[in-house]
Amino acid sequence: AQTVTQSQPEMSVQEAETVTLSCTYDTSESDYYLFWYKQPPSRQMILVIRQEAYKQQNATENRFSVNFQKAAKSFSLKISDSQLGDAAMYFCAYRDNAGNMLTFGGGTRLMVKP
Amino acid sequence: GAGVSQSPRYKVAKRGQDVALRCDPISGHVSLFWYQQALGQGPEFLTYFQNEAQLDKSGLPSDRFFAERPEGSVSTLKIQRTQQEDSAVYLCASSFPPSGSGNTIYFGEGSWLTVV
Repeated sequence: AQTVTQSQPEMSVQEAETVTLSCTYDTSESDYYLFWYKQPPSRQMILVIRQEAYKQQNATENRFSVNFQKAAKSFSLKISDSQLGDAAMYFCAYRDNAGNMLTFGGGTRLMVKP
Repeated sequence: GAGVSQSPRYKVAKRGQDVALRCDPISGHVSLFWYQQALGQGPEFLTYFQNEAQLDKSGLPSDRFFAERPEGSVSTLKIQRTQQEDSAVYLCASSFPPSGSGNTIYFGEGSWLTVV
């Protein structure tokens, strides 16, 4: 079974600075998808960014980018120019190409200091 | 609808009571998922529907949990004889294509269940 691990329960960043959230996963598949979701207090999971495992180029969405290391099974999220609205829980998630479900990590709480 | 809608948003149930949680997915979405999120943890998969067919229910924790989607649209998650360990947020999600792709899955805001 696939597992997703987020080793940082909490992270803190100063407004306008850069922060990196870590994620590792375990799978025997070669083709799969990785996601970062943001969960504000309202509890709705909002997709931040996704990466297809067959693509070598790291995904980027505005201030959000990933460092995808397939051999190391690592998928970190970098948030540049952090804003107060970035404060939330962040979840890393995995989905294999044939599977239906997302497997989530335990989450990282990001605090942004003004 | 514009997004995935769940009701009730908040439910307090006495231990032993039955509860029903409703999910209204985005119109036309084929796939529907239920997840359980305990306090301080990541969501855990419960079950998956493709249209009205329940293709995967491997995550349902016990036979007290039952889900249905009879017409391939609205889904109901039913929990019988609720226990305190059932207290969690129940998230519903939907996506348009069937399984097997990296398509975006859209989540609702969840139903917060507290069993007292």
